[in-house]
Amino acid sequence: NAGVTQTPKFQVLKTGQSMTLQCAQDMNHNSMYWYRQDPGMGLRLIYYSASEGTTDKGEVPNGYNVSRLNKREFSLRLESAAPSQTSVYFCASSGRGLAGLGPTDTQYFGPGTRLTVL
Amino acid sequence: QKEVEQNSGPLSVPEGAIASLNCTYSDRGSQSFFWYRQYSGKSPELIMSIYSNGDKEDGRFTAQLNKASQYVSLLIRDSQPSDSATYLCAVAPRGGFKTIFGAGTRLFVKA
Repeated sequence: NAGVTQTPKFQVLKTGQSMTLQCAQDMNHNSMYWYRQDPGMGLRLIYYSASEGTTDKGEVPNGYNVSRLNKREFSLRLESAAPSQTSVYFCASSGRGLAGLGPTDTQYFGPGTRLTVL
Repeated sequence: QKEVEQNSGPLSVPEGAIASLNCTYSDRGSQSFFWYRQYSGKSPELIMSIYSNGDKEDGRFTAQLNKASQYVSLLIRDSQPSDSATYLCAVAPRGGFKTIFGAGTRLFVKA
């Protein structure tokens, strides 16, 4: 099992360009998440999908859109990149569905995408 | 604004010592508490989860939760150089998905 995979690993964009970050998991998990990590600020939730067919905003959704393509895949799109979106982006998945996190639940993280917007 | 606070460190301990990492949170409705370890340039990986007041032990790691004081801690016994990493405290609300992460504490274990 590959776990959670993300593409690309690195990306450099110019201000105003668009791109989509891809995430896939092979653990048959119901829930998937997108986080960004900035120095000194920890991980911040951008969007999450509790189950296939649902998506909801997290703490910092502005400037992003998401698509839960199927149970395995959850993509994050930047429509018009800005320098403030320079960050490391992590995708994660967890097994529990609409009841939310709880005992024995664990979020498994992908390797991350390092995005620089010039 | 729901917050999770950690001392950024670095916390430096000698090999074989006990490392104590602390975290406070602001949302009294929080139900699930997690400690993740993150090596430089890598993704976070779960070390411990705790849901009830008291202690939970797993090998060299002990998580402690005190909901009345809104405090969660992680003890690492017999610290090893391989434990050198950033430790992230994470808190999730009852029935919710919006996990809040602290900024992390950097731990250095000196050989």
